[in-house]
Amino acid sequence: SAVISQKPSRDICQRGTSLTIQCQVDSQVTMMFWYRQQPGQSLTLIATANQGSEATYESGFVIDKFPISRPNLTFSTLTVSNMSPEDSSIYLCSVVRDSYGYTFGSGTRLTVV
Amino acid sequence: QKEVEQNSGPLSVPEGAIASLNCTYSDRGSQSFFWYRQYSGKSPELIMSIYSNGDKEDGRFTAQLNKASQYVSLLIRDSQPSDSATYLCAVNMLGNYQLIWGAGTKLIIKP
Repeated sequence: SAVISQKPSRDICQRGTSLTIQCQVDSQVTMMFWYRQQPGQSLTLIATANQGSEATYESGFVIDKFPISRPNLTFSTLTVSNMSPEDSSIYLCSVVRDSYGYTFGSGTRLTVV
Repeated sequence: QKEVEQNSGPLSVPEGAIASLNCTYSDRGSQSFFWYRQYSGKSPELIMSIYSNGDKEDGRFTAQLNKASQYVSLLIRDSQPSDSATYLCAVNMLGNYQLIWGAGTKLIIKP
């Protein structure tokens, strides 16, 4: 199954700034998924990133706030733009492993102050 | 609206007992069912997948699926304190890579 390296693992950011999160996969994958997990909550899908096309965003998430890059089949970035304290959360990237289950990166714990 | 329901817990189980975690789903077209374990501060880890009615066993874990009742469960035998975590249920439809997630059940194994 795929191994995902995600960074940074955590960051504390000032409101109004942006943070870019990177995920590197050790094998080529067609789709990558970006999730947000707020404290004590389940996973919320932000967007699906396909190589060579625009990311598909879920209801409540927009490209201006969460731009995604997918330059090749092993790498993707998610930027959290113009941050506010409400963006404090854990952000996770994931890929589909065999049999439709997901493998997750280690997560980025973001605190906005 | 496709939904996956789990009791949020916490579910407290004595060490060595069987822990039973339950999940119901609303979409009859769901084909694949997954249980993930998430330790505090860590990312989810896939522990079981099941695709057909009946039981599937892997070590101390057994997943049970009943599509007629739209119900999937996870049994953990001989529960250990290291099993204390939040367990997330997820489902998807045939050919659809997106997973629908439950809110998770927090399991506490008491020594």
